[in-house]
Amino acid sequence: AQSVTQLDSQVPVFEEAPVELRCNYSSSVSVYLFWYVQYPNQGLQLLLKYLSGSTLVESINGFEAEFNKSQTSFHLRKPSVHISDTAEYFCAVSWDTGRRALTFGSGTRLQVQP
Amino acid sequence: DARVTQTPRHKVTEMGQEVTMRCQPILGHNTVFWYRQTMMQGLELLAYFRNRAPLDDSGMPKDRFSAEMPDATLATLKIQPSEPRDSAVYFCASGLVPTGERTQYFGPGTRLTVL
Repeated sequence: AQSVTQLDSQVPVFEEAPVELRCNYSSSVSVYLFWYVQYPNQGLQLLLKYLSGSTLVESINGFEAEFNKSQTSFHLRKPSVHISDTAEYFCAVSWDTGRRALTFGSGTRLQVQP
Repeated sequence: DARVTQTPRHKVTEMGQEVTMRCQPILGHNTVFWYRQTMMQGLELLAYFRNRAPLDDSGMPKDRFSAEMPDATLATLKIQPSEPRDSAVYFCASGLVPTGERTQYFGPGTRLTVL
């Protein structure tokens, strides 16, 4: 069965420190990869996506993620976090089959401390 | 600023009552998804539609849940009768197929509490 794994349920980090949120997926076919962010009591907002092309993708607020086909990973990184980055982050995968739905990881709670 | 809208945002009801949740996809999007989020199960797909036709509802309890798209601007998810275990946040998302894109845009969700 196809699955998405986010190994870290919570990641505490101090403000201005770097952070990496890990995402691995099972794969036997091509994939489309996404990171969504959820702030408290809100919906999911698209943070960044990999569809094809360059394996390094960036968001407008300083996050980046790298598609690593051999490791079947799509880890999310930020070199310097802010208090406002405190949120839940979800990795999601759509496999290149006829099915268009996303399969989500269990989420990682990023807690930025002053 | 195109967005997916959902109503109601919050719903508290008693066990056995019917619940209807509504979603307005982004104008021009032809694919609509319903997801449910709970602490125990995380985010899971309930059903999705393309061009108003149901394509996959394998994640939905058939005996009490039903999903429809009466027209291109409205998707509904109904629970009848509701049970306490249905308490969750229900998200609608829309996207555009066929394109190389698989991006889904999410609404703010309906927080359902069944007492």
